[in-house]
Amino acid sequence: EADIYQTPRYLVIGTGKKITLECSQTMGHDKMYWYQQDPGMELHLIHYSYGVNSTEKGDLSSESTVSRIRTEHFPLTLESARPSHTSQYLCASSDPTANTYEQYFGPGTRLTVT
Amino acid sequence: DAKTTQPPSMDCAEGRAANLPCNHSTISGNEYVYWYRQIHSQGPQYIIHGLKNNETNEMASLIITEDRKSSTLILPHATLRDTAVYYCIVRVDDGSARQLTFGSGTQLTVLP
Repeated sequence: EADIYQTPRYLVIGTGKKITLECSQTMGHDKMYWYQQDPGMELHLIHYSYGVNSTEKGDLSSESTVSRIRTEHFPLTLESARPSHTSQYLCASSDPTANTYEQYFGPGTRLTVT
Repeated sequence: DAKTTQPPSMDCAEGRAANLPCNHSTISGNEYVYWYRQIHSQGPQYIIHGLKNNETNEMASLIITEDRKSSTLILPHATLRDTAVYYCIVRVDDGSARQLTFGSGTQLTVLP
C-alpha cells in the first residue's frame, strides 16, 4: 500500500470561501501531482511538481494554486471557491527513479461548493 | 501515444483467475504498457507495467505478446475487492510529468 494521504475526504463549502486541500506522502517521492476528476469522467492533470520549490500547471487550466515547501507536502488552495470547482481532487506521487506513469494516488477529496 | 482497445466488461468467479486483454497494435518500440484500476469513487491504483518482458508483482502478472501488439493482465485469484474498472495505457516514459489519461477500460465484476 502506498502511503499518500489526503484531507479532508469530503468538503461542502459555500461560494467565496478560501479552502486548502492537503496532500502528504511518506515515501520520499520527489514528483507529485494534482488531478481533477468528475464522476465517470477522465482524470485531468491540473498541477505537478518535480520537487521542493518546483510547481507547474498541468494540461487542464485551473484557478487553484499549489505550493511545495517540503518534499512530503503538496497542498492545493482555492482562494475563492465557486460551484464550478465542485469535483473530486486526487493527489498522486511518483519516485523519480521509477517510470513517470507509475503513480500512487491518495483517496481523493470530494469537494462540493454550494 | 498508442491507442488501446479493451472489452467494456467481464465477469469472473471469486477465486478464479481473471484475464483482462488489451490490444495496442500501434505501439511503438519505446512505449511501455501500464495497468491501473479504479474502484468506484476512489483514486486510481497502479497495478503493473512492462516494456516487452512478462512481469509479475504481488498484485498481478502482465503477459505481453512477442510482437507487443497485445497484452493480458492476470489476477491469479480474484476476490470481490478486485471489482473495478481496469485501464490499460501505453506511454513513452520520457521522464517528464505527463497527464495520466485513461480510456474507457474494462469493468471487471467478480462474482461470489
